[in-house]
Amino acid sequence: NAGVMQNPRHLVRRRGQEARLRCSPMKGHSHVYWYRQLPEEGLKFMVYLQKENIIDESGMPKERFSAEFPKEGPSILRIQQVVRGDSAAYFCASSPTKGAGDEQFFGPGTRLTVL
Amino acid sequence: GQSLEQPSEVTAVEGAIVQINCTYQTSGFYGLSWYQQHDGGAPTFLSYNALDGLEETGRFSSFLSRSDSYGYLLLQELQMKDSASYFCAVKGGYQKVTFGTGTKLQVIP
Repeated sequence: NAGVMQNPRHLVRRRGQEARLRCSPMKGHSHVYWYRQLPEEGLKFMVYLQKENIIDESGMPKERFSAEFPKEGPSILRIQQVVRGDSAAYFCASSPTKGAGDEQFFGPGTRLTVL
Repeated sequence: GQSLEQPSEVTAVEGAIVQINCTYQTSGFYGLSWYQQHDGGAPTFLSYNALDGLEETGRFSSFLSRSDSYGYLLLQELQMKDSASYFCAVKGGYQKVTFGTGTKLQVIP
């Protein structure tokens, strides 16, 4: 059973371009979380999704950021018109059920660098 | 909202025991988790406490006191490979998980 997959692992964009980060949860997992991590800092919650639904996006910046988890295919975190401050590691995690206590399984992350 | 506090850095000697504390404030509480993250790597799950008391998994143990909004991670027989960042995380209302800022553990010979 493959773990959480994220691609690309490294992404370089120039200011103003779009960044699309993909996350394929573990097989059988229907809950996906996105986190952002700046160097030497903790994980900042961005958004929690289930298939075709955004459950909690309280950590998402109001502009330029969007996320989806379609019925088929991976979850996508999209950043439009990137700025240097968007440079960070973006981690996706998945869990199997909604029940309290479920372990989150993290992907390897996408390191975004904005030039 | 949810907030967590943990020390930013801890140094301990190989073979010793170290305790990493975490205090939290949250609206709604399901449990406290601990994750380990090596430099450049992904966080990996260590433990979860939903009820008061101590949970032991090998060299690692985790404790929770819900009345005190406090927990800790205990690492015994420290090894050099335990050098990493350790995050506590609270699952609160709407299943939202909030992570602490992390404790960087350095194990020295």
